[in-house]
Amino acid sequence: NAGVMQNPRHLVRRRGQEARLRCSPMKGHSHVYWYRQLPEEGLKFMVYLQKENIIDESGMPKERFSAEFPKEGPSILRIQQVVRGDSAAYFCASSPPGPRGNSPLHFGNGTRLTVT
Amino acid sequence: SQKIEQNSEALNIQEGKTATLTCNYTNYSPAYLQWYRQDPGRGPVFLLLIRENEKEKRKERLKVTFDTTLKQSLFHITASQPADSATYLCALGDTGFQKLVFGTGTRLLVSP
Repeated sequence: NAGVMQNPRHLVRRRGQEARLRCSPMKGHSHVYWYRQLPEEGLKFMVYLQKENIIDESGMPKERFSAEFPKEGPSILRIQQVVRGDSAAYFCASSPPGPRGNSPLHFGNGTRLTVT
Repeated sequence: SQKIEQNSEALNIQEGKTATLTCNYTNYSPAYLQWYRQDPGRGPVFLLLIRENEKEKRKERLKVTFDTTLKQSLFHITASQPADSATYLCALGDTGFQKLVFGTGTRLLVSP
């Protein structure tokens, strides 16, 4: 059973370009979460999605960032017009459907975004 | 605002000893607490979950305690091994969906 798959593992973008990060959850999981990890900082929640729905995006910057989890295909975190401060590791996690609070999160190995 | 504190300094211990890591929190009443392990360049891996009405949880060489009065969790690894060397993260959550709040982690180094 494949785990959470993220790609690319490393992404380099120049300032002003767009970055697209993809995440395929574990088989059978319908809940996807995106977290950002800056050097020397903890993981910060960004957004929680279910298929075709954004449930909570309270951790997403108001501008330039968007996320989706379509009916078919992976979840996408999109960063438009990247700036150097967007350089970080972006982790996706998934969990199965059902009551929350009992399920651990299954994380992918992240996409390391570098903005030059 | 919610704050989670983990010792930012690395913990160095000798193989065979018990490692104890601390997680303190303020301005929060979590329904549960989770511990994760993170290796360099990898995503966190779930280890243990403990609920607010539980005092202690064990899994093989791992033990977690949760004191909601002190607002503290202790994470113990007994008979530590060099392979246990990693960064350990605590995370707090509410009932409802998994919007976990993570600490910055403590790096554990186990020397042979």
